[in-house]
Amino acid sequence: GENVEQHPSTLSVQEGDSAVIKCTYSDSASNYFPWYKQELGKRPQLIIDIRSNVGEKKDQRIAVTLNKTAKHFSLHITETQPEDSAVYFCAASNKFSGGYNKLIFGAGTRLAVHP
Amino acid sequence: DVKVTQSSRYLVKRTGEKVFLECVQDMDHENMFWYRQDPGLGLRLIYFSYDVKMKEKGDIPEGYSVSREKKERFSLILESASTNQTSMYLCASSLEGVADTQYFGPGTRLTVL
Repeated sequence: GENVEQHPSTLSVQEGDSAVIKCTYSDSASNYFPWYKQELGKRPQLIIDIRSNVGEKKDQRIAVTLNKTAKHFSLHITETQPEDSAVYFCAASNKFSGGYNKLIFGAGTRLAVHP
Repeated sequence: DVKVTQSSRYLVKRTGEKVFLECVQDMDHENMFWYRQDPGLGLRLIYFSYDVKMKEKGDIPEGYSVSREKKERFSLILESASTNQTSMYLCASSLEGVADTQYFGPGTRLTVL
């Protein structure tokens, strides 16, 4: 079936460094790619998303890039801060056989930013 | 501000019990979703609903059913709980469907003994 692979599963960086999380997807028809952040004990929250008609999107210290040909997309966090420590999930849209859309999530990346 | 609430944060049930998890959203969203979250597996879709009384199976519907009698409320039912259904259950809602921000509830950590 369709799937989304996410790497790495854990990432440890020093405060101020950059962090990159990569995801690959299998369905060439996928056209929506959100990223969710889940802090410890809290609910997932959308931090940025990208649609297939653009290659890059930026919001302050976070950016997402999309390569449709290679079917991969990445989250970039610059100047990391301790409050960036969380689990990050990527996702890709996918169609059910009945025509409805759903999201398929990656397994998550646990990011630790050390002061 | 969108608010999605779930009936319980923690729940402990016995094998074979019928379990009800409830989710309520206050933003008049058409779409509601139930996921389960397990370490190393991300979030997996159990069921979703695009309208009142409408439901569609997700990726892992076996052992679950749902009910959406009112727009704001989406219930997940475990007909006969089993130990492999021990998990974190997350409800979400969105206005415009999948390609739109999904707002999650706080989650219910269910333990089946």
